[in-house]
Amino acid sequence: TQLLEQSPQFLSIQEGENLTVYCNSSSVFSSLQWYRQEPGEGPVLLVTVVTGGEVKKLKRLTFQFGDARKDSSLHITAAQPGDTGLYLCADPDPLPFGNEKLTFGTGTRLTIIP
Amino acid sequence: EADIYQTPRYLVIGTGKKITLECSQTMGHDKMYWYQQDPGMELHLIHYSYGVNSTEKGDLSSESTVSRIRTEHFPLTLESARPSHTSQYLCASSPPGGSGYTFGSGTRLTVV
Repeated sequence: TQLLEQSPQFLSIQEGENLTVYCNSSSVFSSLQWYRQEPGEGPVLLVTVVTGGEVKKLKRLTFQFGDARKDSSLHITAAQPGDTGLYLCADPDPLPFGNEKLTFGTGTRLTIIP
Repeated sequence: EADIYQTPRYLVIGTGKKITLECSQTMGHDKMYWYQQDPGMELHLIHYSYGVNSTEKGDLSSESTVSRIRTEHFPLTLESARPSHTSQYLCASSPPGGSGYTFGSGTRLTVV
């Protein structure tokens, strides 16, 4: 099981600013998922990246998968208070019988100040 | 709207009580999971199922048990709750092909 390190651990910025958070591993990812978790709720899947160098956009969120598939970044443009939450990257590992176990990163707790 | 439901959302119980945390999904997914998340900590897999009558233990040792009698239902039971069981319990399911989990809203359990 590989370790996923996310940085920064905490980030607090003003509404309207841009930001980038990172997910890194010493091992190669087969694919990588990004989730956002709001207080008192379960994580919600934002995106899955599969191919090295891949870039996916979800409105103001841009996800990039490193060429070597050992890192990923999430960039938010013009952050809004609704972006506040815990951002988690997750590496799916196969389990027996076709299940997948998600190994989650340490998370970045993002606060957008109005 | 949620497609996976967990009840109760919050539960405070005394030590030694037996409890069952409910999880139901309406998506027809065969694969279901239970994760445990302590405040400010990572999520850890405690149980999973690949279909009716299948249950397997995850990475994190847990004194809880699960059952899967129906596709849509995956309850978790603690026979005798202890303060060390205080945590958030998250249920999830996934479709074939591994395109990500759908999580429930979780049950925050406090054992006093």
